[in-house]
Amino acid sequence: DSGVTQTPKHLITATGQRVTLRCSPRSGDLSVYWYQQSLDQGLQFLIQYYNGEERAKGNILERFSAQQFPDLHSELNLSSLELGDSALYFCASSVAGREQFFGPGTRLTVL
Amino acid sequence: AQKITQTQPGMFVQEKEAVTLDCTYDTSDQSYGLFWYKQPSSGEMIFLIYQGSYDEQNATEGRYSLNFQKARKSANLVISASQLGDSAMYFCAMRLTGGTSYGKLTFGQGTILTVHP
Repeated sequence: DSGVTQTPKHLITATGQRVTLRCSPRSGDLSVYWYQQSLDQGLQFLIQYYNGEERAKGNILERFSAQQFPDLHSELNLSSLELGDSALYFCASSVAGREQFFGPGTRLTVL
Repeated sequence: AQKITQTQPGMFVQEKEAVTLDCTYDTSDQSYGLFWYKQPSSGEMIFLIYQGSYDEQNATEGRYSLNFQKARKSANLVISASQLGDSAMYFCAMRLTGGTSYGKLTFGQGTILTVHP
């Protein structure tokens, strides 16, 4: 158990819908990262937050947004979902940017 | 931009034997970290080992060791005494330690390791 929690574990929804994925980092970790894992794109960095502020952005679609709250939990919002958004979404956290510990992931299926 | 290359889509090893998983990286930065993660069929990502670009000694963690050759830009993972539970996908990743890319991991495509009894 990495200490990073993600909910829900599985999510099945329809095209055009909006979903919210939630992540709670390890106790004391200020950085939260979101990654997407798909068969065609592999593991890709989406976005990073540090202590509530956006720190870095990867290839995150405009339809996707994220935030980190004062209690350090983070949410990733995916809207106007398309079939191609089906993937495993990971949240990871770290203290000083060294090891990143990953949550169990949320498997999103868009039908 | 940084890039990680894992050229072995799949590897097979006999139980109790050692195996080396290859990883090469490309970056013009001098300060970076290299990671290996294991992803079993259950899907979670498990951190295995870390090597900093300025570390002079190769990193070791139990049965895992990282063969770091900076001049060749390679960071191969060596698993000694393979166990059946080592069967999984293995990812090599890199993190820059400066600039706007600070913190994000760039992953290779992964190597599927199968351990035979």
